[in-house]
Amino acid sequence: LAKTTQPISMDSYEGQEVNITCSHNNIATNDYITWYQQFPSQGPRFIIQGYKTKVTNEVASLFIPADRKSSTLSLPRVSLSDTAVYYCLVGPLFSGGYNKLIFGAGTRLAVHP
Amino acid sequence: DVKVTQSSRYLVKRTGEKVFLECVQDMDHENMFWYRQDPGLGLRLIYFSYDVKMKEKGDIPEGYSVSREKKERFSLILESASTNQTSMYLCASTPEADRARSYNEQFFGPGTRLTVL
Repeated sequence: LAKTTQPISMDSYEGQEVNITCSHNNIATNDYITWYQQFPSQGPRFIIQGYKTKVTNEVASLFIPADRKSSTLSLPRVSLSDTAVYYCLVGPLFSGGYNKLIFGAGTRLAVHP
Repeated sequence: DVKVTQSSRYLVKRTGEKVFLECVQDMDHENMFWYRQDPGLGLRLIYFSYDVKMKEKGDIPEGYSVSREKKERFSLILESASTNQTSMYLCASTPEADRARSYNEQFFGPGTRLTVL
């Protein structure tokens, strides 16, 4: 099972770009990389998912190098409302493989004025 | 919007009590999950279910059981609550892969913070 490692915490300022890196050295061929965001007193919320290279949506970008042993979530121009815990998740997509999904310990991002 | 609701936001129970945590989703999702969340440990999967009356153990099933009698409802049961089960419990659901907007997108409820005294 692919285990993930993320920084415990990060600090940033409003307007800056934030990059959070997740390490997953034992990622399997059929594993995808998914990121979630969690605010206090709420359940996690899906942000973005990818398999290789780069994926971008309205919220974030996800960069995955060719060896797929790590991935980087990029949040452009963060605001105070981006203060949250960010989870990196590695696992297969097919039904029946959900028990192989592993949430990392998460990265607590604090955005300052 | 998908809505996942949990029966209680906060719950206080005593050691040895039987505890039921209820989760309901309104989007006809096939798959449902129970996690617990503890500081520094992230989310850990307790059980999941991919169909009515079907269940699979996750990473930490010891001390827990589950029930899925109806598609929209997934219950977590603590047969005899212990203090080490004090935690935040999160329920999630997701449709079958061929109906999913984005695979691995799980929809979470707001959580139940359980304290066992």
